[in-house]
Amino acid sequence: DAGVTQSPTHLIKTRGQHVTLRCSPISGHKSVSWYQQVLGQGPQFIFQYYEKEERGRGNFPDRFSARQFPNYSSELNVNALLLGDSALYLCASSGKTGGARERMFFGSGTQLSVL
Amino acid sequence: GQSLEQPSEVTAVEGAIVQINCTYQTSGFYGLSWYQQHDGGAPTFLSYNALDGLEETGRFSSFLSRSDSYGYLLLQELQMKDSASYFCAADQTGANNLFFGTGTRLTVIP
Repeated sequence: DAGVTQSPTHLIKTRGQHVTLRCSPISGHKSVSWYQQVLGQGPQFIFQYYEKEERGRGNFPDRFSARQFPNYSSELNVNALLLGDSALYLCASSGKTGGARERMFFGSGTQLSVL
Repeated sequence: GQSLEQPSEVTAVEGAIVQINCTYQTSGFYGLSWYQQHDGGAPTFLSYNALDGLEETGRFSSFLSRSDSYGYLLLQELQMKDSASYFCAADQTGANNLFFGTGTRLTVIP
């Protein structure tokens, strides 16, 4: 079975541009979460979606938005990119209820570099 | 605020035992997870404690003391492939996300 897949794996953008990151959860999983991981730090929560509805939002500016599609895949959008947005963006899926106590399965992430 | 503190680096010898500590200050704390992440790879789930005590999964064990706001991950019979970063992560009552610690980089040497 395929794990969590993310695309693209690497991305280079310039300040002020917009970026869309994509995630496909494990088949049968209905919850998708997005995390930002700056080099040398732990992942930081951005959004969680369950059954296409936003279930949680971390402390990120409104430049960050996300959505979940009927097939449970998800997109993370970041507008007006800043140098500080350079990070590894991780997507995680979980199955039953979308709660944090469920085991989460992470993708390998999208490495975003903002120049 | 919330915080989970871990040692930044630990070095241990192949075949030995190593303990990675995590102290937390988290409102509405419910449980503690541990994740392993190799360089360039995805974090992978290792263990979860919601109750005080020890959970054992093969070579890995995790411990939680809610009264001390403290947990640890114990790795036995260390192998070279265990060289990675290890993160503790707390979940909270009423929230659907994990709050990750600062991470511990484990280096296993021959």
